[in-house]
Amino acid sequence: EAQVTQNPRYLITVTGKKLTVTCSQNMNHEYMSWYRQDPGLGLRQIYYSMNVEATDKGDVPEGYKVSRKEKRNFPLILESPSPNQTSLYFCASRSTGTGLNSPLHFGNGTRLTVT
Amino acid sequence: AQSVAQPEDQVNVAEGNPLTVKCTYSVSGNPYLFWYVQYPNRGLQFLLKYITGDNLVKGSYGFEAEFNKSQTSFHLKKPSALVSDSALYFCAVRLNQAGTALIFGKGTTLSVSS
Repeated sequence: EAQVTQNPRYLITVTGKKLTVTCSQNMNHEYMSWYRQDPGLGLRQIYYSMNVEATDKGDVPEGYKVSRKEKRNFPLILESPSPNQTSLYFCASRSTGTGLNSPLHFGNGTRLTVT
Repeated sequence: AQSVAQPEDQVNVAEGNPLTVKCTYSVSGNPYLFWYVQYPNRGLQFLLKYITGDNLVKGSYGFEAEFNKSQTSFHLKKPSALVSDSALYFCAVRLNQAGTALIFGKGTTLSVSS
């Protein structure tokens, strides 16, 4: 089954404790992206990657890092989490072979709470 | 700058009645427009998209959307709502231009009562 898999689904941590949220897709998609979803703000893009070793900042990149060493994986790293990073996070991917109009495929989300 | 607005935080309809979820956009070129749906505890699912051609686009689960260039709108519609359509709906827009991001609206909660 074609899917985007995020882990963990739920994560509670404390301020300053480094964490990684994993994302993997099995559709051979070139493009991958991370979003955060907050009430009243919709989805905001954190980082995206056009392909392996090609990452770039989205609208809200502060406090986050990403890497794209393999095509299928795109982990999100919080080196020193803070309470304002408490949010619902989504990984998404899409093919670029058909141009800019291919839809995004989303994972089921990771709900992060930083205390 | 490109942006998308969903003017209603919540839409309430009775089962069997037609529904409309509104979306307006602002871009400086030709837009690609999308609708996504989010069910509780799930990621967003693609419903439909407008690229070019017919202004009425048909998508999944009986939904359709009408592109109106003069009003810069892309409203989501369904002739007869189901209780199972209750979910959070997002409109999104991007330019037909490499390097541009997909911008999401803030979402509209659709509640269909039986």
